[in-house]
Amino acid sequence: DTAVSQTPKYLVTQMGNDKSIKCEQNLGHDTMYWYKQDSKKFLKIMFSYNNKELIINETVPNRFSPKSPDKAHLNLHINSLELGDSAVYFCASSHGRGAPSTQYFGPGTRLTVL
Amino acid sequence: SQQGEEDPQALSIQEGENATMNCSYKTSINNLQWYRQNSGRGLVHLILIRSNEREKHSGRLRVTLDTSKKSSSLLITASRAADTASYFCATALIGNTDKLIFGTGTRLQVFP
Repeated sequence: DTAVSQTPKYLVTQMGNDKSIKCEQNLGHDTMYWYKQDSKKFLKIMFSYNNKELIINETVPNRFSPKSPDKAHLNLHINSLELGDSAVYFCASSHGRGAPSTQYFGPGTRLTVL
Repeated sequence: SQQGEEDPQALSIQEGENATMNCSYKTSINNLQWYRQNSGRGLVHLILIRSNEREKHSGRLRVTLDTSKKSSSLLITASRAADTASYFCATALIGNTDKLIFGTGTRLQVFP
């Protein structure tokens, strides 16, 4: 019955590889997000989709490409992984746009690039 | 510098004591939210306060907002060991409420 789920929970890979992280929400929300949390616990938004449309695209290297096949899913693909990509990546979802709404977070994916 | 900065960075208290965390921000906001993050977990929403509100309560939580000082505080009363976590404020800017800007967080340790 997990509201926002992410797979995998842990991802260890070599520099230069390409990897994907998947996110699914069963809350019926129409907006989904990807955040990156660094080793100092600083949480920064990367992307957001509303009804499969990209609405937030922060200054993120173009090696990162989000894809939303439908409004319940938002995946993150990372090309040519670098050491600095090591972090915890969180997916989140919320209901509606333009009005105060809370975000529901997934459990996170800890990415380690060796 | 960050939109939201929290203080203190870390706080250690005994069970039963109250814990107060503060958040300051720079730009006018639509609303401010507080989230909790247990170690190794995702963030959990605690409370949302709108810019036209000054105080909100939820159980043992009390949040205040002073828009003239661009600051908010989170008070946890009668703390428990289970309250041990990191607490983050997040601001939603006017005209851009889709995007939350998170503060630097306060690490709270409650000793039994």
